[in-house]
Amino acid sequence: DIQMTQSPSSLSASVGDRVTITCRASQTISNYLNWYQHKPGRAPKLLIYAASNLQNGVPSRFSGSGSGTDFTLTITSLQPEDSATYYCQQSYSILTFGGGTKVHIK
Amino acid sequence: EVRLVESGGGLVKPGGSLRLSCTASGFSFSTSNMNWVRLAPGKGLEWVSSITDSSSYIYYADSMKGRFTISRDNAKNSLYLQMNSLRAEDTAVYYCARNDYRMSSYFFDYWGQGTLVTVSS
Repeated sequence: DIQMTQSPSSLSASVGDRVTITCRASQTISNYLNWYQHKPGRAPKLLIYAASNLQNGVPSRFSGSGSGTDFTLTITSLQPEDSATYYCQQSYSILTFGGGTKVHIK
Repeated sequence: EVRLVESGGGLVKPGGSLRLSCTASGFSFSTSNMNWVRLAPGKGLEWVSSITDSSSYIYYADSMKGRFTISRDNAKNSLYLQMNSLRAEDTAVYYCARNDYRMSSYFFDYWGQGTLVTVSS
């Protein structure tokens, strides 16, 4: 199975900060990489598909980039409602997720 | 409005069985591929199983093969997961999710809020 490694595992940032989360695949996955946001007790939410495409209805402060093995999720201006855990997920082969990045608001 | 509502979770002893259900509304269930994904305490999301729209193709994560069975009833807009020989490590919130395919990437675009399964003696 392809292993997905996210970093950092958690971070704390202030409202308005630029936040970057990285995801590394154990082998090349082209652009078959998606990002999700998950808040406790809620349904996970798709943010980005195919590495860089914003899902309908997702605020434009979220963006994704990367190809091959290294990918990035960026939040350009962190908002209070962005406090959540973020997961990457590859669909190149048997579906696997990263371990998650917990984002706290200072 | 799209809704996926899971039910059937609860407390079960190791070695026991449980059947989860997911009822869908607000989208074309019969033409959608569906999945179960779980989130164990202190861990990340884990894909469990997938079933295509007409049940022609079914897939399982290795650790669930032989113990879990996914099925669906398109007439009832319902997805199921029969879980047998449950282990403590199966303790998790189980989510029902639809997957779509765009620009060569499979992703989960609709999710339920999950149902908690606790395996403990």
